[in-house]
Amino acid sequence: GAVVSQHPSWVICKSGTSVKIECRSLDFQATTMFWYRQFPKQSLMLMATSNEGSKATYEQGVEKDKFLINHASLTLSTLTVTSAHPEDSSFYICSTRYSTGSYEQYFGPGTRLTVT
Amino acid sequence: GENVEQHPSTLSVQEGDSAVIKCTYSDSASNYFPWYKQELGKRPQLIIDIRSNVGEKKDQRIAVTLNKTAKHFSLHITETQPEDSAVYFCAALFASGYALNFGKGTSLLVTP
Repeated sequence: GAVVSQHPSWVICKSGTSVKIECRSLDFQATTMFWYRQFPKQSLMLMATSNEGSKATYEQGVEKDKFLINHASLTLSTLTVTSAHPEDSSFYICSTRYSTGSYEQYFGPGTRLTVT
Repeated sequence: GENVEQHPSTLSVQEGDSAVIKCTYSDSASNYFPWYKQELGKRPQLIIDIRSNVGEKKDQRIAVTLNKTAKHFSLHITETQPEDSAVYFCAALFASGYALNFGKGTSLLVTP
């Protein structure tokens, strides 16, 4: 299957600061990437769909000015959590489809964000 | 809106027994239904999937069945082993988008 990496794997930041999370497709070009958030013992909730070269599409209830997504190349999408607060502490996971004709999605290893 | 319901939320079985997890979906136009296994702190791993033009798919001890009329699909694990213990998520790819909608997950515990 496709290989997707994320960096960092975990990060601790202070309230009010910003954190950038990178998602890379290592062995293929990803025109679309998805960002999910997962709180402890809960399911994955889609935050936004990231499209290469265009603006991301955010799900209802997700603040686009707080969660900035940039998909500037076919192998990299970034999620920046701005002015982070303790309630933003979560597991952030990206995923991508191997190709536009494929349904299978492959997930990155996730980033554990803790805001103190 | 589009929704995926998953049951049960927890399931405990003895090693060697079978485990069944069920999901229902709301959008009759859905066409792709994957199952993921997630261990604590790790990424979801695709274990099996099924498309809407197929009723059943099997891969060794794992099988998935789909009933399009009733809009539900199920994961069957036979001869369970302790290493099958994890959280399992069903998902559906809805016709209105490209992302997956996930069920709430089932925590499976296989006891020796």
